[in-house]
Amino acid sequence: EIVLTQSPGTLSLSPGERATLSCRASQSISGNFLAWYQQKPGQAPRLLIYGASSRATGIPDRFSGSGSGTDFTLTVGRLEPEDFAVYYCQQYGSSFTFGGGTKVEIK
Amino acid sequence: QVQLVQSGSELKKPGASVKVSCKASGYIFTRQVLSWLRQAPGQGLEWMGWINTNTGTPTYAQGFTGRFVFSLDTSVSTAYLQISSLQTEDTAVYYCARTVAGPFDPWGQGTLVTVSS
Repeated sequence: EIVLTQSPGTLSLSPGERATLSCRASQSISGNFLAWYQQKPGQAPRLLIYGASSRATGIPDRFSGSGSGTDFTLTVGRLEPEDFAVYYCQQYGSSFTFGGGTKVEIK
Repeated sequence: QVQLVQSGSELKKPGASVKVSCKASGYIFTRQVLSWLRQAPGQGLEWMGWINTNTGTPTYAQGFTGRFVFSLDTSVSTAYLQISSLQTEDTAVYYCARTVAGPFDPWGQGTLVTVSS
């Protein structure tokens, strides 16, 4: 099973700042089959990024994904108030597993 | 638009069974696989498995065999998750999600299943 480790666990930032979230895999993810989701309290996760760097439909361009192999990054260019949430990475190269999440909170 | 609507919250006693529904709209139901996922209180996400909506064939992830059953009623574009012999550790929010070549999109709104005596 591919284990995904997200860091940091919590990111404290102010609106307008840049957020950089990391996701590291225990082994290389084939095809860069890595997705990112945003989850707000009481809501279902929402797909942001798939294929490591492709934005899902309707996702603002301040969200970007990068990386390959075992190291991936989600960047939020300038945080809007609605971006404070928990973010999960997920691999679908070998079955499906999720990282433990990064909480982006208001500083 | 593509939408998955799940049934409402359930409160069950240990040993009972529960059946959660997931009704799809906005796309051809039998064209995409549908997954089930679990999120225990304050925890992360686990993939439980999926069901091929064209053939009805389920695939269960490790740890979700035996007491968990995925089924369909294609006449109403609805998938079901049944859990038997409920245990307190089954308390969680259960999600269905369309699986399009890997990523999960969209998700149902979630169904909270609480198991308590």
